[in-house]
Amino acid sequence: DSGVTQTPKHLITATGQRVTLRCSPRSGDLSVYWYQQSLDQGLQFLIQYYNGEERAKGNILERFSAQQFPDLHSELNLSSLELGDSALYFCASSVRLAGDILDEQFFGPGTRLTVL
Amino acid sequence: AQKITQTQPGMFVQEKEAVTLDCTYDTSDPSYGLFWYKQPSSGEMIFLIYQGSYDQQNATEGRYSLNFQKARKSANLVISASQLGDSAMYFCAMREATTGTASKLTFGTGTRLQVTL
Repeated sequence: DSGVTQTPKHLITATGQRVTLRCSPRSGDLSVYWYQQSLDQGLQFLIQYYNGEERAKGNILERFSAQQFPDLHSELNLSSLELGDSALYFCASSVRLAGDILDEQFFGPGTRLTVL
Repeated sequence: AQKITQTQPGMFVQEKEAVTLDCTYDTSDPSYGLFWYKQPSSGEMIFLIYQGSYDQQNATEGRYSLNFQKARKSANLVISASQLGDSAMYFCAMREATTGTASKLTFGTGTRLQVTL
C-alpha cells in the first residue's frame, strides 16, 4: 500500500459525459501528479500540482482539468468524454522539496475509466 | 525523440534465475534521476529502485539492482533469483532536473516479464 488513495476504482460512463476522479496523497506529500495509461499512448504525464498550485503540464487535453484543494487532495475532471479517453488514470504524490533531484513518486491504485 | 527506450516488449526467465531488463535514455540535462516501477496484472504501480545521475555506485534494493552506465546512457534493471511473483510489466522512467517544485516522470513503453517454473 503506497498510502495514495484514489476513488473510484472503476468508472463506466457514456460518451459526452463528465466525470471526476479523486486522489488523496500520502500524508505530508505536497505534490500530486496525474498520469494516463492507455494501450496506444502508454503512460503519459498529464499535470502536477504543488501545494495547491499548478506546477507542470503535460499532454493534457483542454477537455480535462484538475485542481488541488487546501487539504491537498486533488481532483481530475474529464468532460465531453470520448471513446479514446478510456484508460487507467493514476495519481501519484511526492514530497517534492525544491532542489530534490531524486523525488520518489508513489502511485495510487488507479481509476479505470471506460467510456462506452 | 524517445527519451526512454525499452527495447524488450517481453521477456521470459526461469524461476531462481537472474534477468536483466534493458533501458536506455536520452537527455542533455547533467542532473537527472532514473526509476524503475513494477506493474502487476492488478494494475498498481510499485516503485522498485532509483539511481541519480551523480551517484557513483549502482543502486541496489534487495533482489533488484540497477546497472547504471552513464556514458552509454543505460540503466538496466537486474532481478536476481526470480520468483513467480515477479511476473509483471516493468517500466523505466526518468526525471530531469527542473527548477523549483515542477516535476514529472517520463516513462518507457515497458517490458512484460514472465517467470516460468
